[in-house]
Amino acid sequence: DIQMTQSPSSLSASVGDRVSITCRASQSISRYLSWYQQIPGKAPKLLIYRASSLQSGVPSRFSGSGSGTDFTLTISSLQPGDFATYYCQQNYITPVTFGPGTKVGIK
Amino acid sequence: QVQLVQSEAEVKKPGASVKVSCKASGYTFTRNYIHWVRQAPGQGLEWMGIMNPIDSSTTYAQKFQGRVTMTRDTSTSTGYMELSSLRSEDTAVYFCARDIEYSTSSGSCDYWGQGTLVTVSS
Repeated sequence: DIQMTQSPSSLSASVGDRVSITCRASQSISRYLSWYQQIPGKAPKLLIYRASSLQSGVPSRFSGSGSGTDFTLTISSLQPGDFATYYCQQNYITPVTFGPGTKVGIK
Repeated sequence: QVQLVQSEAEVKKPGASVKVSCKASGYTFTRNYIHWVRQAPGQGLEWMGIMNPIDSSTTYAQKFQGRVTMTRDTSTSTGYMELSSLRSEDTAVYFCARDIEYSTSSGSCDYWGQGTLVTVSS
């Protein structure tokens, strides 16, 4: 199985901050990488697919980049509703695997 | 609007089985694959498998092979996930989710059910 790692595991930031989260795959996954946001008690929400494609309805402050093994999710200006846990997911081969998550908290 | 509505929470004893339903609306059920993902309390997301609603073909994660069965009823636009031989480690919220692509599997999920808590306890 492809292992996914994320860094940092958690971070504290303020509204308006630029935040970046890194995801690394244990082998090349081309651009088959998605990012999800999860608020406690809710289902995950798709933000980015194919590494950099913004899902319909998702604010443009979210962006994704990378290919191969290294990927980044960037939030250009953190908003109150963005405090959540973010997961990367590889869908290059089955089984689909997720990263362990990055919790973005309020500073 | 697209919706996936799951069945209510369940409490099961070790060794029992559970069947979770996922009723789709707002789109043509057979056009998008359905994934099942679970999340243990305070833990991350774990992919269980995927089903093609057209022919009910499935791919399961190796971890669940032999214990999980994914099916569908096209007449009611409902998908099902049954997990057998339950143990305490299966206590989790189980989500169904729709694949973003039409008639193929991309792995990215654009709509999710609200989740079904399955508690396994003696």
